[in-house]
Amino acid sequence: DSGVTQTPKHLITATGQRVTLRCSPRSGDLSVYWYQQSLDQGLQFLIHYYNGEERAKGNILERFSAQQFPDLHSELNLSSLELGDSALYFCASSVYSGRANEQFFGPGTRLTVL
Amino acid sequence: ILNVEQSPQSLHVQEGDSTNFTCSFPSSNFYALHWYRWETAKSPEALFVMTLNGDEKKKGRISATLNTKEGYSYLYIKGSQPEDSATYLCGNYGQNFVFGPGTRLSVLP
Repeated sequence: DSGVTQTPKHLITATGQRVTLRCSPRSGDLSVYWYQQSLDQGLQFLIHYYNGEERAKGNILERFSAQQFPDLHSELNLSSLELGDSALYFCASSVYSGRANEQFFGPGTRLTVL
Repeated sequence: ILNVEQSPQSLHVQEGDSTNFTCSFPSSNFYALHWYRWETAKSPEALFVMTLNGDEKKKGRISATLNTKEGYSYLYIKGSQPEDSATYLCGNYGQNFVFGPGTRLSVLP
């Protein structure tokens, strides 16, 4: 158990809908990262937040947005969902903002779009 | 190399064999190289993070080296055990974080 929690564990929804995935980092960690793992794409970096501010952005679609709140938990919002958004979404956390920090991954949220 | 590449794609070894994998990344867009171990149905687990050219890190039977000038890193596993069976993923955190496709290792008892 890495200490990173993600809710919900599973989510099934329909195309066109909007969902919110939640991540709580390890106690003391200030950075949160979001990743998408789909069957044909491998692990894709979406976005990195440090202490509430965006630090780096990967291939995150405009339909997706994220934020980190003052209590350091983060939410990933996915809207106008498409079948191709079905994937496992991981959150990770690290202590600091640097790119050389070891990251601790949560158990993931599996999203199924029907 | 624009992306992160890993070879081989998969590997089957016998228990007790030593093995190694390669991760190639663009040396022009490098800051930190991460190695993760990812077991089926679990989450990635950090092995090493390396930043300096010539860096070598070791954790038990697993070690890694880094060459930032030519853009590659090697991961070595000495005396493979069945519990080492997993996908080994490397990622380059330059301007953003790009992962390779992974090397799937199966260690046969």
